[in-house]
Amino acid sequence: DQQVKQNSPSLSVQEGRISILNCDYTNSMFDYFLWYKKYPAEGPTFLISISSIKDKNEDGRFTVFLNKSAKHLSLHIVPSQPGDSAVYFCAAGQGGSEKLVFGKGTKLTVNP
Amino acid sequence: GAGVSQSPSNKVTEKGKDVELRCDPISGHTALYWYRQSLGQGLEFLIYFQGNSAPDKSGLPSDRFSAERTGGSVSTLTIQRTQQEDSAVYLCASRLINYGYTFGSGTRLTVV
Repeated sequence: DQQVKQNSPSLSVQEGRISILNCDYTNSMFDYFLWYKKYPAEGPTFLISISSIKDKNEDGRFTVFLNKSAKHLSLHIVPSQPGDSAVYFCAAGQGGSEKLVFGKGTKLTVNP
Repeated sequence: GAGVSQSPSNKVTEKGKDVELRCDPISGHTALYWYRQSLGQGLEFLIYFQGNSAPDKSGLPSDRFSAERTGGSVSTLTIQRTQQEDSAVYLCASRLINYGYTFGSGTRLTVV
């Protein structure tokens, strides 16, 4: 039973355009969400997070949107750069639990 | 060190052999996690250590898997009688409470 789902295994966008990565979750008890970025042969690195009390969090070119009623979050990258090419993992956590639940990841390719 | 260090980076072992994977967390980080990523899958939680508390072993897939954390620092994940389905990238992460995970680069385990 996948509690965090990233239904698009891959996404390809042109440099300068917007990248939108989507994530759905099933557990309504999750109260914080994170995005991690992973380059080949490296561990995932933290990108941006959002608490369930907010519906948007922005950090430079990266914005995460949360729609609690739809149990959906998305990561927007604008403008996209070739260096953004990586696998992006959505993760969710629940207050009082130290474990994060991860999606399967979406491989983003930004073409020059 | 500045980051989470894992060794070895790659390990090829014969089916039925035992393997030990090592993780050196960031100094001062009280929490340590093991996850694994099988081909085409997300990050699967294995085990979590927090300070002197009993570890959360709920993610260990079988009794062939065990882990320990000595002195609240270095952790070793042991897989006994390895099987081909154990082939994956094993990721270690550490964190300070209320901060995000910092992952190591992982150990790529191949069971032949």
